Amino acid sequence: AQSVTQLDSHVSVSEGTPVLLRCNYSSSYSPSLFWYVQHPNKGLQLLLKYTSAATLVKGINGFEAEFKKSETSFHLTKPSAHMSDAAEYFCVVSDDDYKLSFGAGTTVTVRA
Amino acid sequence: NAGVMQNPRHLVRRRGQEARLRCSPMKGHSHVYWYRQLPEEGLKFMVYLQKENIIDESGMPKERFSAEFPKEGPSILRIQQVVRGDSAAYFCASSPVGLAGRFSYEQYFGPGTRLTVT
Repeated sequence: AQSVTQLDSHVSVSEGTPVLLRCNYSSSYSPSLFWYVQHPNKGLQLLLKYTSAATLVKGINGFEAEFKKSETSFHLTKPSAHMSDAAEYFCVVSDDDYKLSFGAGTTVTVRA
Repeated sequence: NAGVMQNPRHLVRRRGQEARLRCSPMKGHSHVYWYRQLPEEGLKFMVYLQKENIIDESGMPKERFSAEFPKEGPSILRIQQVVRGDSAAYFCASSPVGLAGRFSYEQYFGPGTRLTVT
């Protein structure tokens, strides 16, 4: 069975400082992992995905994530936060299946 | 190319009424998925449909909930005799056909319908 734990429900950063969103997963197989972002009143947008290729994955808008099998983690980072990064972020796992399992989400606030 | 469309965006129903949620997938996508997000929780898979076929409804409550994806028109998630516990955000996603006609890992999500049952 697959599951995801997002370790922080809220993260607040200053504009221009790094962002770290933490995610741990549980999976019986070699999983596929995703990060989605949801801006207010918008649909979920795929930021990046890991599907058993390179462990460091680069996504859109300067985000990247590193798959660490030994730690069962898939943390999302960005070197310098922008005001437009304020949103809710979801870590998602899939066991070679169409059923995506979502974490509870991390709300990011960016201070000017 | 318009994204996944869902309507209505907000729906208020009294207990016992019916709720109908609509989802139009992205152009060219033939796979549709419905997810439900309860307050303070992540999205949970409900059902996977292809045109005129329910492929997997293992996440759907056994009673009062049904889904369809007809040959023409949007996919519909129908909730009969709604109760307060049905209040949630319902998200639809679509994907193109993947390798060998299977699903694709990339699911494109709509903005969701927020259902409130009073």
